Amino acid sequence: RKEVEQDPGPFNVPEGATVAFNCTYSNSASQSFFWYRQDCRKEPKLLMSVYSSGNEDGRFTAQLNRASQYISLLIRDSKLSDSATYLCVVVKDYKLSFGAGTTVTVRA
Amino acid sequence: GAVVSQHPSWVICKSGTSVKIECRSLDFQATTMFWYRQFPKQSLMLMATSNEGSKATYEQGVEKDKFLINHASLTLSTLTVTSAHPEDSSFYICSALVPRDSLGQPQHFGDGTRLSIL
Repeated sequence: RKEVEQDPGPFNVPEGATVAFNCTYSNSASQSFFWYRQDCRKEPKLLMSVYSSGNEDGRFTAQLNRASQYISLLIRDSKLSDSATYLCVVVKDYKLSFGAGTTVTVRA
Repeated sequence: GAVVSQHPSWVICKSGTSVKIECRSLDFQATTMFWYRQFPKQSLMLMATSNEGSKATYEQGVEKDKFLINHASLTLSTLTVTSAHPEDSSFYICSALVPRDSLGQPQHFGDGTRLSIL
């Protein structure tokens, strides 16, 4: 079983739509959680941290459910520039485990 | 903010060539750096943890004699892919631990190196 699993998508959505997707992780001792964004042939860039209480950053909302070991990301009012692959990242003892990514394509 | 520079960004070379990739921390000291590899449509996979002044710790399945890591200074780690073959073609990314990062980022990433072996 992979440490971090994500729905690969792709999610094709029109501008202005809301899109949401999850990832699950296998290690219950994982300590911190993040969503990264990766554009084609580029390095991953931090989008936001994820907390059990849920957190928002503009149009992005992330949620962590430790009991069920899943993490979610919701994007409201999608923009063309949101098209990317979103990586779920789980950290334990400074080691990062990456999901394979969920591809989102926002169309005009 | 903390900047990690990786060089070169793109390498194309013949099979059998050894390729060196550099990872530098530009404005901070990085005692611990990491090397990842990413194949198309797959997740980043940790290859090894590089500690300044000591031997790297390799993940299971990564050949230490093929992927030589040197971390001789607090600002530079290098990964050398020895006798590279087409199956080594991949996207290699380094990262560095940044202590007390105000944004909560666990690691800062270099720009990545796209390696293509013909």
